Amino acid sequence: GENVEQHPSTLSVQEGDSAVIKCTYSDSASNYFPWYKQELGKRPQLIIDIRSNVGEKKDQRIAVTLNKTAKHFSLHITETQPEDSAVYFCAASSPGTYKYIFGTGTRLKVLA
Amino acid sequence: DTAVSQTPKYLVTQMGNDKSIKCEQNLGHDTMYWYKQDSKKFLKIMFSYNNKELIINETVPNRFSPKSPDKAHLNLHINSLELGDSAVYFCASSPTQPSGNTIYFGEGSWLTVV
Repeated sequence: GENVEQHPSTLSVQEGDSAVIKCTYSDSASNYFPWYKQELGKRPQLIIDIRSNVGEKKDQRIAVTLNKTAKHFSLHITETQPEDSAVYFCAASSPGTYKYIFGTGTRLKVLA
Repeated sequence: DTAVSQTPKYLVTQMGNDKSIKCEQNLGHDTMYWYKQDSKKFLKIMFSYNNKELIINETVPNRFSPKSPDKAHLNLHINSLELGDSAVYFCASSPTQPSGNTIYFGEGSWLTVV
């Protein structure tokens, strides 16, 4: 069945450094890849997304890259700040399927 | 204005009881979902509804029964609660099928079965 693998499961970085989270999906029909941030005790919220016809997308300190051939996509956070500390989820969705398949999450800690 | 609202936020109940969680969205979306987040933080789809019709039932025990009286509401009833049902249950919605569309989550319902 469809599967999304996410690595690493935990990531600690110093404030100001960059963080990279990687995901791999199995369904070659997947065409939409959102990233969600979940702070402690809160709901997951969309931070950035990318569609399969785009290789890269950037929004201020956050960027996402997609390699369709390798079925990989990654989240890049630059100049990390303590408020970036949260659990980040990647997801993949395919046309005609009424669901996202989520990765297993990455707990990011930004150390001041 | 809360886009996706669910009640109750916290629920502590004994094994064997029956409980319900209610969800409403005011975004005009056609599709609604229930996701379960366990203690390891894994987010797993339980059900998807589109315009009140069940689209996905992701091998959830039949003790879980969703009901969508209209496309703005999706409730979840759980019979004979078990310890393993303890989790956070998130209701969510999207304009239509999620491919290419953002899913918006409710605040979650923390269910603890004792």
